[in-house]
Amino acid sequence: GAVVSQHPSRVICKSGTSVKIECRSLDFQATTMFWYRQFPKQSLMLMATSNEGSKATYEQGVEKDKFLINHASLTLSTLTVTSAHPEDSSFYICSARTRQGSYEQYFGPGTRLTVT
Amino acid sequence: GQNIDQPTEMTATEGAIVQINCTYQTSGFNGLFWYQQHAGEAPTFLSYNVLDGLEEKGRFSSFLSRSKGYSYLLLKELQMKDSASYLCAGYTGFQKLVFGTGTRLLVSP
Repeated sequence: GAVVSQHPSRVICKSGTSVKIECRSLDFQATTMFWYRQFPKQSLMLMATSNEGSKATYEQGVEKDKFLINHASLTLSTLTVTSAHPEDSSFYICSARTRQGSYEQYFGPGTRLTVT
Repeated sequence: GQNIDQPTEMTATEGAIVQINCTYQTSGFNGLFWYQQHAGEAPTFLSYNVLDGLEEKGRFSSFLSRSKGYSYLLLKELQMKDSASYLCAGYTGFQKLVFGTGTRLLVSP
């Protein structure tokens, strides 16, 4: 089956620093990757949609200059949280879709970000 | 709008049957997903309904009524490992998933 990995699984950073999260599709090429955020006891909220080789599309209310997304290849997307603050502490999950028009999304294991 | 509503928590006993309901506004969704999510882990796919009716897959079944904006996930022969959150998600015309609030299911002995 399709496998998506994320790195790191957990990260603690100080307020004001930046942190990068990687999302990789291990055994398939992902035309589209999605980034979600999940606060404790809440559901997943889509942050942005990333298509390989083009700029990410951000959901309303998500600051594109704060959450930088790069999808430079068909197997890798990165999310950089710039100038992180404690309120950015959350569970960040990526998912990948194999081809245009496919409804299936395969989720990564998530990254727990804690900003102190 | 695309609000998706689910009960916040449910409890059930091992071996029993539980039905988790999901209601949504009928506009904008091409289909409905159910995912299982254990604490601190990513969601795993359970089912996808695009047509009305019941889809059965082992101990889990999912039902969809598009005209009523209603779906449910039926879990039979509950096991302790079924304790998790169950997320209902609508699939939009823009090929995005819109997740409901999730239902935390606690299975007790």
